[in-house]
Amino acid sequence: DSGVTQTPKHLITATGQRVTLRCSPRSGDLSVYWYQQSLDQGLQFLIQYYNGEERAKGNILERFSAQQFPDLHSELNLSSLELGDSALYFCASSVVTSGGPGTDTQYFGPGTRLTVL
Amino acid sequence: DAKTTQPTSMDCAEGRAANLPCNHSTISGNEYVYWYRQIHSQGPQYIIHGLKNNETNEMASLIITEDRKSSTLILPHATLRDTAVYYCIVRVAMGRGGSQGNLIFGKGTKLSVKP
Repeated sequence: DSGVTQTPKHLITATGQRVTLRCSPRSGDLSVYWYQQSLDQGLQFLIQYYNGEERAKGNILERFSAQQFPDLHSELNLSSLELGDSALYFCASSVVTSGGPGTDTQYFGPGTRLTVL
Repeated sequence: DAKTTQPTSMDCAEGRAANLPCNHSTISGNEYVYWYRQIHSQGPQYIIHGLKNNETNEMASLIITEDRKSSTLILPHATLRDTAVYYCIVRVAMGRGGSQGNLIFGKGTKLSVKP
C-alpha cells in the first residue's frame, strides 16, 4: 500500500460524457502527478500540481483538466469522452523538498480504470 | 522519448537472482537512475534509485557502471510475486518548489519468474 488513494476503482461511461477522477496523496506530500496508461501508448505523464499550483504539463488533451485543492487532494476531469480515452489513470504523489532526490520519489496509487462505451 | 533501453522480456527461475540490465548512454551528470515495477495493471511501485554509487535496499540492489552509461537491477532471490514489468528511468531530481519532475516511462522489461 503506497498511501495514495484513488476513487473510483472502475468507471464505465458513454462517449460524450464527463467524469471526475479523485486522488488523495500520501500524508505530507505536496506534489501530485497524473498519468494515463493505455494499451497502445504505455504510461504517459499528463499533468503535475504542487501545493495547489500547476507545475508541469505533459500530453494532456484540452478536453482534460485537473486541479489540486487546499487539502492537497486532486481531481482529474475528463470531458467529451471518446472511445480512445479508455485507459488506466494513475495518480502519484511526492514530498518535494530541497533535501535531495530521495525526497521526491513518486509513489503511485492503484489507479482508476475508465471504460468509455 | 525514454532515454533508456531495456530488453523486452526476461525469464528467471524462482529462488535465483534476477539481473535486469538497462542502457542509458546519454545520461547527464545530474540525472538519477530510478527503477519501478508494475505488476499486472497495478500502480507502478518504486524499487530503488541511485546516482553513481551502488545502492541496496530491502527489495533490490542497483549496480551502476563507473561511466554511468548502464546499470543493472538485481533481485537477489526472485519469487513468483516478482513477475512484473520493470521500468528503468533516468531523471533529474526535483529542486525546491516542485519544479518539473515527471517520470518518462519506456516499454520496460517483462520479467517472468518461473517455478
